[in-house]
Amino acid sequence: GIQVEQSPPDLILQEGANSTLRCNFSDSVNNLQWFHQNPWGQLINLFYIPSGTKQNGRLSATTVATERYSLLYISSSQTTDSGVYFCAVDGSNYKLTFGKGTLLTVNP
Amino acid sequence: SAVISQKPSRDICQRGTSLTIQCQVDSQVTMMFWYRQQPGQSLTLIATANQGSEATYESGFVIDKFPISRPNLTFSTLTVSNMSPEDSSIYLCSVELDRGTYEQYFGPGTRLTVT
Repeated sequence: GIQVEQSPPDLILQEGANSTLRCNFSDSVNNLQWFHQNPWGQLINLFYIPSGTKQNGRLSATTVATERYSLLYISSSQTTDSGVYFCAVDGSNYKLTFGKGTLLTVNP
Repeated sequence: SAVISQKPSRDICQRGTSLTIQCQVDSQVTMMFWYRQQPGQSLTLIATANQGSEATYESGFVIDKFPISRPNLTFSTLTVSNMSPEDSSIYLCSVELDRGTYEQYFGPGTRLTVT
């Protein structure tokens, strides 16, 4: 099946800093999503981005499908950005395969 | 998006017992999915539950352990049977809205602890 690798596995930032999270995948995809899992376990949809670039406030994402990677940018980070960020992809069968996630800690 | 609810939100159960988790969506959807997230781990798909057909299970998951029902287009249940401490996990349902995209939305999850 399709493989998903996320980096870095852990990231510690000071409030106000910027960061880039990366997601590599091993095959062409119909779907690529970025999620934020908050401390209560809820998965929040950030982006549905099988290709191209999107922005939502301080967050933006870019997927280069031909090179099989996606980037999530967080600017001016806040303590509320802390949590685990997951990348998930669907190759051809509607089933999402998740990466292992990036644990982000933003310190005040 | 969609409003997805799960019941219960959390539970503590004794080994050997069973727990049924409910997932309710505020709109009709064809495709629903059940995932498991073990402590400190990523999410793993258990099965796909489409209305009108039997659930399709992923490798490593079997119907006897995780029976699933999908009686209509807005509701599904997942039962965790004959539980052991290794079943302690967060169980999440997700849906793909029938909008021609593949985007999935997740419920809030059920946090299960087996003692």
